[in-house]
Amino acid sequence: DADVTQTPRNRITKTGKRIMLECSQTKGHDRMYWYRQDPGLGLRLIYYSFDVKDINKGEISDGYSVSRQAQAKFSLSLESAIPNQTALYFCATQQGGEETQYFGPGTRLLVL
Amino acid sequence: GEDVEQSLFLSVREGDSSVINCTYTDSSSTYLYWYKQEPGAGLQLLTYIFSNMDMKQDQRLTVLLNKKDKHLSLRIADTQTGDSAIYFCAENSNTGKLIFGQGTTLQVKP
Repeated sequence: DADVTQTPRNRITKTGKRIMLECSQTKGHDRMYWYRQDPGLGLRLIYYSFDVKDINKGEISDGYSVSRQAQAKFSLSLESAIPNQTALYFCATQQGGEETQYFGPGTRLLVL
Repeated sequence: GEDVEQSLFLSVREGDSSVINCTYTDSSSTYLYWYKQEPGAGLQLLTYIFSNMDMKQDQRLTVLLNKKDKHLSLRIADTQTGDSAIYFCAENSNTGKLIFGQGTTLQVKP
């Protein structure tokens, strides 16, 4: 079983809709991250959390919100989706003090 | 601010060596990473190097770090068609976040 899972894997939605992307991990890591990937721009950090009560904005947090419901779960919400939020979204985990982030398989989101 | 730059595209012939280059700006980075993304897949950590090292070798992969010039490279020996992917360089910022480059698409021609 994968250590970092994301649901859904693919999603098509319409402008103005609220959607939630979920991330779960079985690695027991305390840190979790949400990134978006756009062609030619690499990965950009949206939000990150170092613990259940800790939420921090990343580079491009506008239009997004997150919830860290438990150490193993980190959800990303788009309150009112817009077409330029069409992208590939990745969740990642890391144990504090260790050097490596582990990525989920990604969620491909299309906003029409 | 923190920035990581890579060229966007590299094409090589099967069996040749590939060298993917990266420059970064944060001199306080502790680790530098190379991730691989195959088509339709997530990111897979290929290798990483600690900032006090100059070189790290792992089978066909060689990472070179020039800390003075803030330049990182990934050499893939005997490149195979299965190496075709997007390769991301990343540095860890002093806040623990990863800063990624734009990704280099490696095309391997038979």
